[in-house]
Order: sequence, then C-alpha cells, then structure tokens
Amino acid sequence: GAVVSQHPSWVICKSGTSVKIECRSLDFQATTMFWYRQFPKQSLMLMATSNEGSKATYEQGVEKDKFLINHASLTLSTLTVTSAHPEDSSFYICSARNRGTYEQYFGPGTRLTVT
Amino acid sequence: EDQVTQSPEALRLQEGESSSLNCSYTVSGLRGLFWYRQDPGKGPEFLFTLYSAGEEKEKERLKATLTKKESFLHITAPKPEDSATYLCAVSNSGYALNFGKGTSLLVTP
Repeated sequence: GAVVSQHPSWVICKSGTSVKIECRSLDFQATTMFWYRQFPKQSLMLMATSNEGSKATYEQGVEKDKFLINHASLTLSTLTVTSAHPEDSSFYICSARNRGTYEQYFGPGTRLTVT
Repeated sequence: EDQVTQSPEALRLQEGESSSLNCSYTVSGLRGLFWYRQDPGKGPEFLFTLYSAGEEKEKERLKATLTKKESFLHITAPKPEDSATYLCAVSNSGYALNFGKGTSLLVTP
C-alpha cells in the first residue's frame, strides 16, 4: 500500500518551453501533496504544499508563476515548470500525505534537464 | 526555526559491523519524526514514524528510537544492500517535512 507514482521519470526540454510533471497516489486519497526539489548530493528542499481544491502554498524564494501547481483531485497533483531555463534542471520529487496521518509517501522522482 | 542535524555525513561499515546514525532536532510542537531511505536517482522510501519520546520501532536489521532531542537509527549486522542515504525529517503542525542532510551509508562485503 501507499504507492505514489510520477510521470515522466525523466524529461529533456529546450530552454523557454514548459514541462508538466504528474504525481498520483495510487491506492490512497491524498488530501495534501508536496513538491520537493533535490540537487546532486543535497537533501530535499520543499517547494510547495498543495491541498486538494485549494491554491498551493509556496516556500519562500520559490516563484509561484514559474512553478504552477494544481491539485484537482484527491489522487492527482501536477507541477508545471513554465519557461524553463537550464538552472531549473534538477530532480523533482512529489509526496502525498495519507488522510488522517502525518506520514508522507514519495514518488520515484522526475529528472528534468533543460538544454 | 525547526532544525534537523544528521551525523555522521558518511559512514563506511564492513558487512556485519553494527552501528548507529544520529538525528538531532529542534522543533516547536513535534508531530512526528520520520526516517527514510533513499537510493541514488530514486525518491525516498518510508521506513519509520516516531511520535513520542521513548518510542521504538523495528524493521528487519533497522531499529529507530526517539528521545526529546534526538533519534537514532540502529543498524544491526548490515549487508551491502543496506547501502543508501538515510534521511531524517520532522513534522510540526503544518504537515510539511523538514529534512536533515542525510547520512550516506556504504556497507562493504
């Protein structure tokens, strides 16, 4: 149980284009989903928190117009990186909180490379 | 401000050599302390949640303990497949996780 999927697992895009990453909780309802970013040999940095049906809450320093988050259902959240630039290249990981608990389950991550 | 400090940064063990990883924390209103395992290029894999001082949880060769200031992840007789980065995180009332920098564990045959 508690499986989270992400799609795609890796993506290469050209500078200036937009990329959408999907995060799904497969066997539970996730009232809250989180998006993290991880640079090589560093820990996870929280980008934003999204609750189903509500606007996402972004961490300080994260551009909300650049990283668009939608959490339209209890099992799906999307992160869209708009007008991507090489410095946006990173490993993006989502997690989902099971309703009624504090535990978060993570997706396998998406490797984004912007050329 | 919540802080999570993990030590050591890196640990090399021989197969069968037991050891402990440390996670020191300061948080206002601890709702949970979490241990995850992360393999290179993958998302973190959930291991344990500890909610109150004195609590202990075990899974195979791993045992997690919690005091009011720190948590330990004890690894008994590790195997090479236990090699990974072990992450500690805390959650306060806001549900978001605050991660430490992790301990990179290498177990050699």
